[in-house]
Amino acid sequence: DAGVIQSPRHEVTEMGQEVTLRCKPISGHDYLFWYRQTMMRGLELLIYFNNNVPIDDSGMPEDRFSAKMPNASFSTLKIQPSEPRDSAVYFCASSFGRYSAKNIQYFGAGTRLSVL
Amino acid sequence: GQQLNQSPQSMFIQEGEDVSMNCTSSSIFNTWLWYKQDPGEGPVLLIALYKAGELTSNGRLTAQFGITRKDSFLNISASIPSDVGIYFCAGQLTSNTGKLIFGQGTTLQVKP
Repeated sequence: DAGVIQSPRHEVTEMGQEVTLRCKPISGHDYLFWYRQTMMRGLELLIYFNNNVPIDDSGMPEDRFSAKMPNASFSTLKIQPSEPRDSAVYFCASSFGRYSAKNIQYFGAGTRLSVL
Repeated sequence: GQQLNQSPQSMFIQEGEDVSMNCTSSSIFNTWLWYKQDPGEGPVLLIALYKAGELTSNGRLTAQFGITRKDSFLNISASIPSDVGIYFCAGQLTSNTGKLIFGQGTTLQVKP
């Protein structure tokens, strides 16, 4: 398997523009997680899905952020409108089997977002 | 909310030295994971621990799941320059919601 695939790897945009980050989880995984990483706040969980259904979005900073998972092999994280303080590295991760007790999350390489 | 306290926050050591870092919490975990993040990449799993008291090695890395289930440590022996990166602990609570709680990370720098 190719692992978790994120695109784009880098995104530079201007304040006010819409940004869409994409993620393809590992085939067969039923959990998908979106994280944000900054120097100040470290690794923060934004939202996660189980079987394509959002389970916990309490980490989403505000209404400008939205995430969707239309099918088992694709998810998006959208920021509209973007602001300079959204600049960070955004990671997608996937895992298999809540009841397998393994719960190992596999991370993508991340999208580095810069909002000017 | 649940928190993992990871220490130290950063380390700067000489090549060949041993390294130790740990995570503690007031909550009980049923899984402990240790990840390493190389610059410009996502975290990669190093070691997974599933039982209290479990001691597991992966090459020069050794990790243990604390007896109380509230802590874990990671040791790196004979460090080399490629050990540079950020090390994260992560735990799964006994409630097993599917998500992990991550520590703040330990940044390791190794001087050749």
